[in-house]
Amino acid sequence: NAGVTQTPKFRILKIGQSMTLQCTQDMNHNYMYWYRQDPGMGLKLIYYSVGAGITDKGEVPNGYNVSRSTTEDFPLRLELAAPSQTSVYFCASSARDRGNTEAFFGQGTRLTVV
Amino acid sequence: AQSVAQPEDQVNVAEGNPLTVKCTYSVSGNPYLFWYVQYPNRGLQFLLKYITGDNLVKGSYGFEAEFNKSQTSFHLKKPSALVSDSALYFCAVRDPATNAGKSTFGDGTTLTVKP
Repeated sequence: NAGVTQTPKFRILKIGQSMTLQCTQDMNHNYMYWYRQDPGMGLKLIYYSVGAGITDKGEVPNGYNVSRSTTEDFPLRLELAAPSQTSVYFCASSARDRGNTEAFFGQGTRLTVV
Repeated sequence: AQSVAQPEDQVNVAEGNPLTVKCTYSVSGNPYLFWYVQYPNRGLQFLLKYITGDNLVKGSYGFEAEFNKSQTSFHLKKPSALVSDSALYFCAVRDPATNAGKSTFGDGTTLTVKP
């Protein structure tokens, strides 16, 4: 059982470039999330989705976009990369519920913008 | 709004000694509380959760946590620490009344267990 899979694991971008971070889960979870983790900081929610076709902003959505066309996939798009987006990005999923189930995390994508 | 605080950036204990990693929270209603562990260059892994019922919850790898509503705390504990417990620990809170599915994470506590 693969769980939550993120690609790529590492990426270096130049300022102004764009890229898509891929995330897929095979647990049939309705909820999916994108977080960023900066050194010494907790996880900040970028975007989340409660099901296919539904997305919403989290705490720090500026500079990012998402889509959720299927239950399995939840890609995160960076359109114009900036140094402030240097971070480790985590995708996560959880089952549809009233919020009482834990999240399952991918292994992360380490992004550096230079 | 929901929030969570982990007052210690770092906790150091000797192997075999008990450990405590502290967490306090703020929500408007009854909280759902979670602990996760992160090993270097890995994603977060679920350890345990409090939803309702017994205030003492047991989780993976011998960890447990005690929910204290009056002190709004959910401290993570283990009776006897192992060197392999060294990692980054995150507390998370969710208010099911207003934020179903969205957790707020603390800034993390680095646990170092020395042989």
